[in-house]
Amino acid sequence: EPEVTQTPSHQVTQMGQEVILRCVPISNHLYFYWYRQILGQKVEFLVSFYNNEISEKSEIFDDQFSVERPDGSNFTLKIRSTKLEDSAMYFCASSPLASSSYEQYFGPGTRLTVT
Amino acid sequence: AQSVTQLDSQVPVFEEAPVELRCNYSSSVSVYLFWYVQYPNQGLQLLLKYLSGSTLVESINGFEAEFNKSQTSFHLRKPSVHISDTAEYFCAVSEVGYQKVTFGIGTKLQVIP
Repeated sequence: EPEVTQTPSHQVTQMGQEVILRCVPISNHLYFYWYRQILGQKVEFLVSFYNNEISEKSEIFDDQFSVERPDGSNFTLKIRSTKLEDSAMYFCASSPLASSSYEQYFGPGTRLTVT
Repeated sequence: AQSVTQLDSQVPVFEEAPVELRCNYSSSVSVYLFWYVQYPNQGLQLLLKYLSGSTLVESINGFEAEFNKSQTSFHLRKPSVHISDTAEYFCAVSEVGYQKVTFGIGTKLQVIP
């Protein structure tokens, strides 16, 4: 069964460093998402992406964050200058169509630790 | 803006006993409702969803949830749990026409042999 994959599973970085989290969505899906979960808190929506553009973003997704689909398979989340509070589990998801009535398929997550 | 409340952070239950995981939501517009499950070291998997129509929805592994508009609830139930149901369960909501899904904080279901 096709699945969303994410690399790395765990990333440790120093405060102020740039980090890129990578995701490979399901191949025939068109919509891509990033969510994050700070330890002990809710899973929070960050951004949705379609046709090489951001379609929705939350207030969390500020100028420090960017997303890109650099080729036909990868979907990346970049954090330009990491802060301690960026430490969280980051989940990538994809869906075949836009509306949330269609299931979003989630990857296993990347645990980001900022020291 | 929509929000989701899951009042129980942990629910221990004996194997073969029934369980109910509670979920309440708030929104000023029409919503879709979801339950996701997360097994250890895995991603979130959709368990079931309510979009429209019958207010009772079922999953393939025996869970069911009922949409109650007047009480703004979407509680998850199973009449007899199995050890393999041990996982974290997330209630979620999205507003019709939008892609953003808002999650509750999750309920850890621990099935005791």
